[in-house]
Amino acid sequence: DTEVTQTPKHLVMGMTNKKSLKCEQHMGHRAMYWYKQKAKKPPELMFVYSYEKLSINESVPSRFSPECPNSSLLNLHLHALQPEDSALYLCASSPAGETQYFGPGTRLLVL
Amino acid sequence: QKEVEQNSGPLSVPEGAIASLNCTYSDRGSQSFFWYRQYSGKSPELIMSIYSNGDKEDGRFTAQLNKASQYVSLLIRDSQPSDSATYLCAVIHMEYGNKLVFGAGTILRVKS
Repeated sequence: DTEVTQTPKHLVMGMTNKKSLKCEQHMGHRAMYWYKQKAKKPPELMFVYSYEKLSINESVPSRFSPECPNSSLLNLHLHALQPEDSALYLCASSPAGETQYFGPGTRLLVL
Repeated sequence: QKEVEQNSGPLSVPEGAIASLNCTYSDRGSQSFFWYRQYSGKSPELIMSIYSNGDKEDGRFTAQLNKASQYVSLLIRDSQPSDSATYLCAVIHMEYGNKLVFGAGTILRVKS
């Protein structure tokens, strides 16, 4: 089973709202990732957690705040986003930092 | 030079033909290579991984790797309309802290 789940599937939020994206995997993978994907572009890495510790932050604005409460769960907290942050947000997990398996994504629209 | 380069396409092939998708990469130290398929509005789906020079076959898909030429390809035999998607080549880029670096993707259209 290589399933990564993400909730919600769709999210519409105003620029003053606070919301969170959730990602879960029960495959025992030790690395988890957040990507952002704009239309007709490849996924763009945002954050990497390895063994529940933040190992890579790709200079993402502070309005995006990741959290890894445990080895199966990854959150992305959103606050004061801009319309240009509208995108597909993808979570992925990997057994040991190699092959990555993506979740279905959350499509975010910021108004 | 981009880290991972692909022809954006679209690549159009008739149903039943072989589709050939190509990718070049810049990091000579890279050891791990992946092909993902992405349907419009969906997330990337892993279809092949390859680590050694040569061919790796899985059903209708064959991945080919040539590290000396820094080249990886994906062949899809007996192409079906359901294969129409964007194919993303991805490489573990050692120079960038073992990040997975994606090419821009090649759009494949299989015409029935």
